[in-house]
Amino acid sequence: GAGVSQTPSNKVTEKGKYVELRCDPISGHTALYWYRQSLGQGPEFLIYFQGTGAADDSGLPNDRFFAVRPEGSVSTLKIQRTERGDSAVYLCASSSDQNTEAFFGQGTRLTVV
Amino acid sequence: EDQVTQSPEALRLQEGESSSLNCSYTVSGLRGLFWYRQDPGKGPEFLFTLYSAGEEKEKERLKATLTKKESFLHITAPKPEDSATYLCAVQEWTGANNLFFGTGTRLTVIP
Repeated sequence: GAGVSQTPSNKVTEKGKYVELRCDPISGHTALYWYRQSLGQGPEFLIYFQGTGAADDSGLPNDRFFAVRPEGSVSTLKIQRTERGDSAVYLCASSSDQNTEAFFGQGTRLTVV
Repeated sequence: EDQVTQSPEALRLQEGESSSLNCSYTVSGLRGLFWYRQDPGKGPEFLFTLYSAGEEKEKERLKATLTKKESFLHITAPKPEDSATYLCAVQEWTGANNLFFGTGTRLTVIP
């Protein structure tokens, strides 16, 4: 596609529920990143994929968070047993390789009630 | 630990009033310094990458410069459509390939 696409745009879920957030990167981009952005803050790194593998998952806050990229294109961020503190905008970015600029999607606004 | 500090937090300018945004950084080895623009409800939009001290890049009314400790984003004769949050981020040579962001400067340009 023309840009990074994230679905859904907004997600409201109840505390304790499971959610999946999807990212479609720019076609041909091998590097994919997930970030989380709270109000008034800059994006905070969660995980980085190079191809199908998670090259760096050091930013995932705990084991409730997991991400996959099985075919090296679309990625899904999965959050189990959601908590109110998980509420934020989740941003996905992709780049042609690890040394070039990353292009961001519009984000998924997650609200846990 | 990487640190990125942006100042001011917020800036209001009259249309045509030039100014500069500051990004001070501390990293073990800088691979690149990135500037992004973010509009409300949108993802960050890439502006510039700077790699070495002394480097400068320009795009329309924006010019980014880099020293060993900080970067400036100069805005010349801004227009209301330049209103946005400007984010600075660093990427280091060792360790993760991710970007470490500052908290941004929220710019408002008044007609």
